Amino acid sequence: EDKVVQSPLSLVVHEGDTVTLNCSYEVTNFRSLLWYKQEKKAPTFLFMLTSSGIEKKSGRLSSILDKKELSSILNITATQTGDSAIYLCAVWRDGGYQKVTFGTGTKLQVIP
Amino acid sequence: DAGITQSPRHKVTETGTPVTLRCHQTENHRYMYWYRQDPGHGLRLIHYSYGVKDTDKGEVSDGYSVSRSKTEDFLLTLESATSSQTSVYFCAISGGSNQPQHFGDGTRLSIL
Repeated sequence: EDKVVQSPLSLVVHEGDTVTLNCSYEVTNFRSLLWYKQEKKAPTFLFMLTSSGIEKKSGRLSSILDKKELSSILNITATQTGDSAIYLCAVWRDGGYQKVTFGTGTKLQVIP
Repeated sequence: DAGITQSPRHKVTETGTPVTLRCHQTENHRYMYWYRQDPGHGLRLIHYSYGVKDTDKGEVSDGYSVSRSKTEDFLLTLESATSSQTSVYFCAISGGSNQPQHFGDGTRLSIL
């Protein structure tokens, strides 16, 4: 059975801090790893990572995949209160339909 | 934002009643998905569709059925609702097997 584990479960930081969120996975026929941000409603797509060692960046957010260690990290620099959310990691298995397994998320709270 | 509308946004109903949730998309995407999100479990796939009248089961399909008679609409039906089906339900869409899923805003369903 595919498995995605995120850590920490939650954290509280001050504005301006840098945070690193972790995701480890066990999946058969790995295709890609995805990161989503969930505020009050829909999870919104952040990154899709397929190749190991290639960093993806979007503003203050960046992510990288390590297929040898079966893990990924999501970094957020110079955090703002608007970064407060649950960050979801998901792995996508190859073959057939888009079999995506989600982790339970890391809840980030950024305080002024 | 992906053009996904879920209805209703909130619903309270009684055990044993039938319930239908609707997902409507304006992106003409082929793939559509229904997930439920519960504390401690993350997002879990209920059913998915890979085309009009083409549907299949996900990991938590018991007690649910789906239909897709048009590209833009994907319906989720609880034939006889139970309290264990109290959850937040998300619809997702994807344009292709190599494209990430995008989510609707969710339906909060309470079964008393």
